[in-house]
Amino acid sequence: DQQVKQNSPSLSVQEGRISILNCDYTNSMFDYFLWYKKYPAEGPTFLISISSIKDKNEDGRFTVFLNKSAKHLSLHIVPSQPGDSAVYFCAASSGSARQLTFGSGTQLTVLP
Amino acid sequence: EPEVTQTPSHQVTQMGQEVILRCVPISNHLYFYWYRQILGQKVEFLVSFYNNEISEKSEIFDDQFSVERPDGSNFTLKIRSTKLEDSAMYFCASSEIGGTEAFFGQGTRLTVV
Repeated sequence: DQQVKQNSPSLSVQEGRISILNCDYTNSMFDYFLWYKKYPAEGPTFLISISSIKDKNEDGRFTVFLNKSAKHLSLHIVPSQPGDSAVYFCAASSGSARQLTFGSGTQLTVLP
Repeated sequence: EPEVTQTPSHQVTQMGQEVILRCVPISNHLYFYWYRQILGQKVEFLVSFYNNEISEKSEIFDDQFSVERPDGSNFTLKIRSTKLEDSAMYFCASSEIGGTEAFFGQGTRLTVV
């Protein structure tokens, strides 16, 4: 059951450059999407979210883009910093159901 | 900043034993959740809890599992008879009544031997 897919298990980016993390979903009932960051031995930390009625949401260095027709979302981090190195999870929910369906995560490494 | 706290951080138990994982959600949140992550796998939803009852549960959350809010601050997950495959990180989360963003605790690593 791969309703939320993150096809890149890892990504390396130079400090100061843009990091782009991608996520695809198959369930057309999903209407709310979230990105979480996770450091080892810690719980997921909420980063940014987007409703399906929007195509972009920005918060500081983080921007999430949603392409509903392609069932694709991406997280842009610019400029990337070494402290951004973590595993990034895409998650989705639908309607009044509050459970989150997570992707498998992408390990981002920002090189100094 | 308010946070979700979980205890213990690591629990080792013998197969067949009962374990209780504890969580203190963020104080003004009304929705509570348990998720788990088996090593190398995705974070998986187990159960959500609102207004003193289960609102949703996954197929993982079978009769071996139960949740309780024994007082105004704690939220617990009980596994009645642990199996080796229950070994995982268990995350508690909470959210506001109108919010979809769930805030997670640091997790309890459960090791069943």
